[in-house]
Amino acid sequence: QSVLTQPPSVSGAPGQRVTISCTGSSSNIGAGYDVHWYQQLPGTAPKLLMYGYSNRPSGVPDRFSGSKSGTSASLAITGLQAEDEADYYCQSYDSSLSVVFGGGTKLTVL
Amino acid sequence: EVQLVESGGGLVQPGGSLRLSCAASGFTFSSYTMHWVRQAPGKGLEYVSAISTNGGSTYYANSVKGRFTISRDNFKNTLYLQMGSLRAEDMAVYYCARGPVIGAFDIWGQGTMVTVSS
Repeated sequence: QSVLTQPPSVSGAPGQRVTISCTGSSSNIGAGYDVHWYQQLPGTAPKLLMYGYSNRPSGVPDRFSGSKSGTSASLAITGLQAEDEADYYCQSYDSSLSVVFGGGTKLTVL
Repeated sequence: EVQLVESGGGLVQPGGSLRLSCAASGFTFSSYTMHWVRQAPGKGLEYVSAISTNGGSTYYANSVKGRFTISRDNFKNTLYLQMGSLRAEDMAVYYCARGPVIGAFDIWGQGTMVTVSS
């Protein structure tokens, strides 16, 4: 049971927009700790996709965006492409003094 | 090129020990908090351990506390994870990562697989 809750899977057709939610609580996201997102392509290590809710590292397309609302965060991907098919993880910090990850969301491009 | 390269994984019997290494290059290793994150086969990411820049502060997940020890050698630019009393549930790919404790991990290694089996 992950501290941060993500949907196990989402899907969309090429060109569509999908969102992945990350729901926490008052001890992590709600406490003001940042949320970061990682993309893990099949068979590879996680890669930082978004930090501080909505900041993209160099090289990440602007099709990816992030937001926060209350005790939740969301990752949106517009103009879905086949290469976006991957697992996505959110990460934050919890007042229990630990880094916490979401359970991960598998994105399928139809 | 900024890079982290793990090594030391392999097959170990339940109750056994293993030491993982993570060699850093392309950046000032001693300036960064470092972490270990693991991923069991087919599962999500699990945070394992962290160590401060000078090694003076460490953190362990409850699942490994008392069995694993994180350390670093800033002269050798290397991070370590000494794992003991290994259990089947410790079987995973172990990644090292760079980043602040309350922040994003911007660099990850490629991972090293630890298999616990008799």
